[in-house]
Amino acid sequence: NAGVTQTPKFQVLKTGQSMTLQCAQDMNHNSMYWYRQDPGMGLRLIYYSASEGTTDKGEVPNGYNVSRLNKREFSLRLESAAPSQTSVYFCASSESPVGETQYFGPGTRLLVL
Amino acid sequence: AQSVTQLDSQVPVFEEAPVELRCNYSSSVSVYLFWYVQYPNQGLQLLLKYLSGSTLVKGINGFEAEFNKSQTSFHLRKPSVHISDTAEYFCAVSDHTGKLIFGQGTTLQVKP
Repeated sequence: NAGVTQTPKFQVLKTGQSMTLQCAQDMNHNSMYWYRQDPGMGLRLIYYSASEGTTDKGEVPNGYNVSRLNKREFSLRLESAAPSQTSVYFCASSESPVGETQYFGPGTRLLVL
Repeated sequence: AQSVTQLDSQVPVFEEAPVELRCNYSSSVSVYLFWYVQYPNQGLQLLLKYLSGSTLVKGINGFEAEFNKSQTSFHLRKPSVHISDTAEYFCAVSDHTGKLIFGQGTTLQVKP
């Protein structure tokens, strides 16, 4: 039981390049989330998926897209990376959206030059 | 709109001393409250949460928090800290939508 896994662990991009961050969970959770963590700002929600087949914007969705590929997988895509997207990205999952514990992956460190 | 303020960015404390990490929130509706901990180079894990009922909530590793509706606070306490408690602690609030709003984080530094 691996919980929430994320790939890659670390990535360096040049401005304008695209990439997809992958996330998978093996807990049969319905809800999945993408956050970014920046120093002094806590975690901010980018997008979330309350259940398979649905996605919604969070606090900071600009510059990102998501795909809920199936119940297990939720990917985050940067179409044209910018230095402002340098951050640590965390994926999380929970059994349902309301009041449930969110389980976090180990994070992806992204550096955009 | 909801918001969370963690009043201290860093809290240094000696081992075996008590500690309190402060969290205030603002919301116009009923909320759920959480404390998460992040050890270096790891993801977050839940310490405790308040959904309803008793305002004193006990969590893992000897931590507890008290929900105070009149003061809109959810402070985290531990009577005696260990070196291994050194980490970053995040307070978070959510409402019926389930979206979590995190505070800025408090770094707890436990000194020997």
